[in-house]
Amino acid sequence: DTEVTQTPKHLVMGMTNKKSLKCEQHMGHRAMYWYKQKAKKPPELMFVYSYEKLSINESVPSRFSPECPNSSLLNLHLHALQPEDSALYLCASSPTGHLREAFFGQGTRLTVV
Amino acid sequence: AQRVTQPEKLLSVFKGAPVELKCNYSYSGSPELFWYVQYSRQRLQLLLRHISRESIKGFTADLNKGETSFHLKKPFAQEEDSAMYYCALRNTGTASKLTFGTGTRLQVTL
Repeated sequence: DTEVTQTPKHLVMGMTNKKSLKCEQHMGHRAMYWYKQKAKKPPELMFVYSYEKLSINESVPSRFSPECPNSSLLNLHLHALQPEDSALYLCASSPTGHLREAFFGQGTRLTVV
Repeated sequence: AQRVTQPEKLLSVFKGAPVELKCNYSYSGSPELFWYVQYSRQRLQLLLRHISRESIKGFTADLNKGETSFHLKKPFAQEEDSAMYYCALRNTGTASKLTFGTGTRLQVTL
């Protein structure tokens, strides 16, 4: 299994809602990532987890809260988002050693209304 | 700080013509460099990595440390090469950060 699976594929939420994005991989990768991609822009790194511990937070607002419950799962909890947070949210995973190719999920397209 | 620059937003070539997508980087250490491709309605996927020195789908890329470049080349473009191409740099520290360039859309026309 060489896939990163993200659910849901699409999500529409109000500014007062709480929702979660989920990501799963079974490749034994111990590094997992959240990226945000706006239309016609490159992916921007949000968070990096290494061995289930948060190692990089790119100054992301606290309304985004990541969680890595185990080595296969990565969640992104969303609360009180703004319309400008609407974007494609990508999850990725990679090995932690040399030749660390990152595998990307299909993404969750989030719309905040 | 690490940075990746792709100067062209759009590159339009005829089928059978050579292709060169430019990528320059700035990084104080020894970088790991990658080319990722995103076909229409598909996920971002790895095309090439500098360490492997491989040719995938006819594409090659050579790391030039003197010019801090990692340009992507293909001698004869095919229609199916039309996609968004991102150059990416990973730092070699323990906290692994993959930074993308702004991307170049390659359009191959008949």
